[in-house]
Amino acid sequence: SQKIEQNSEALNIQEGKTATLTCNYTNYSPAYLQWYRQDPGRGPVFLLLIRENEKEKRKERLKVTFDTTLKQSLFHITASQPADSATYLCALDMRYSTLTFGKGTMLLVSP
Amino acid sequence: EAQVTQNPRYLITVTGKKLTVTCSQNMNHEYMSWYRQDPGLGLRQIYYSMNVEVTDKGDVPEGYKVSRKEKRNFPLILESPSPNQTSLYFCASSLGPGTNYGYTFGSGTRLTVV
Repeated sequence: SQKIEQNSEALNIQEGKTATLTCNYTNYSPAYLQWYRQDPGRGPVFLLLIRENEKEKRKERLKVTFDTTLKQSLFHITASQPADSATYLCALDMRYSTLTFGKGTMLLVSP
Repeated sequence: EAQVTQNPRYLITVTGKKLTVTCSQNMNHEYMSWYRQDPGLGLRQIYYSMNVEVTDKGDVPEGYKVSRKEKRNFPLILESPSPNQTSLYFCASSLGPGTNYGYTFGSGTRLTVV
């Protein structure tokens, strides 16, 4: 079955820097790869989606890349702010099965 | 406002007492799903539904039931709750897998079974 790996250690960065989070997967490449933000005790919030035939997607300060050869997606937040502190989840949509989530990486942005 | 509404937000119950967690969405989504989230284990799918009257098991369905009689509602039923079902539960809806569309999650239900 598909295995999704996200760095379990929290990522600590300073305000203004670029945060880069990694999502690796095994086996087959998904039709879509999605990124979500989750605050403690709250439901995940959809951020961005990238298709298997796309290399890069941007939305405001967010950028996602998708490398099907490496089986990896990178999620970037530029000019990070303390309000960006949260857990970020990647999820794989295999098209004919349901969405599978990674365990997430906590991001801490200090002023 | 487009949203998924779960109730209750918090629930404490005793072992063996049947309970239902409700989930409703107002986006006319065909796909709905239930997840539980536990520390160190991430989000794990319990059941999902591709459409009305169509439901299927996810990764951890034991001890749970669901029904999808109407498009907007997808209740989660615990017939005989046990302490290992203490968890944070989320309902989600979407247009469905492979549709270039993200999932909308509810605010969660924190269940404690004593």
